[in-house]
Amino acid sequence: DVKVTQSSRYLVKRTGEKVFLECVQDMDHENMFWYRQDPGLGLRLIYFSYDVKMKEKGDIPEGYSVSREKKERFSLILESASTNQTSMYLCATQGAGSNQPQHFGDGTRLSIL
Amino acid sequence: AQSVSQHNHHVILSEAASLELGCNYSYGGTVNLFWYVQYPGQHLQLLLKYFSGDPLVKGIKGFEAEFIKSKFSFNLRKPSVQWSDTAEYFCAVNALRAGNMLTFGGGTRLMVKP
Repeated sequence: DVKVTQSSRYLVKRTGEKVFLECVQDMDHENMFWYRQDPGLGLRLIYFSYDVKMKEKGDIPEGYSVSREKKERFSLILESASTNQTSMYLCATQGAGSNQPQHFGDGTRLSIL
Repeated sequence: AQSVSQHNHHVILSEAASLELGCNYSYGGTVNLFWYVQYPGQHLQLLLKYFSGDPLVKGIKGFEAEFIKSKFSFNLRKPSVQWSDTAEYFCAVNALRAGNMLTFGGGTRLMVKP
């Protein structure tokens, strides 16, 4: 079974703080993704990475950056957290090939005060 | 840009009722289609997927979905729901562009009354 581990289930930070969300996978998958999940909006892609040190913007990258220094780890960074970034953040991985499903972590519920 | 629409945000059914959740997408090319489910407090799990071949796809827990290319639809069905099917359901489409990106619908929250 694929295991996707997000470092925190719940996180509370203050406006202006720099926030790091970590995601680790154990399946040697090339592709990794960060989404945010908001009620009524489904999942929206923030950034994704298809290889080490490679990253691509998703649909809503503003206010975020990512880091992929090792294949198994994909970090999401909120440079200066704002209240509108309060959300559930989901990490996903996917093996090579467009017919492979994505596997999701448990999510991090982030609150920005 | 592709988009995915799930028309019902909330659905409430009694046990044993039949279920159909709508999903329409806007991309005209070749697509891969997925339904994911998120049970309360759990992570998203793959319910079923369509890549090619028989447009009627069977998934786990008695769910099935039918791909109708002419209608750009991939509706999810189950003949008789159970209380344990209470969850949020997400339709997703991959238009085979770079990076295997998925576009998700807004989700449908299903509540099954015991």
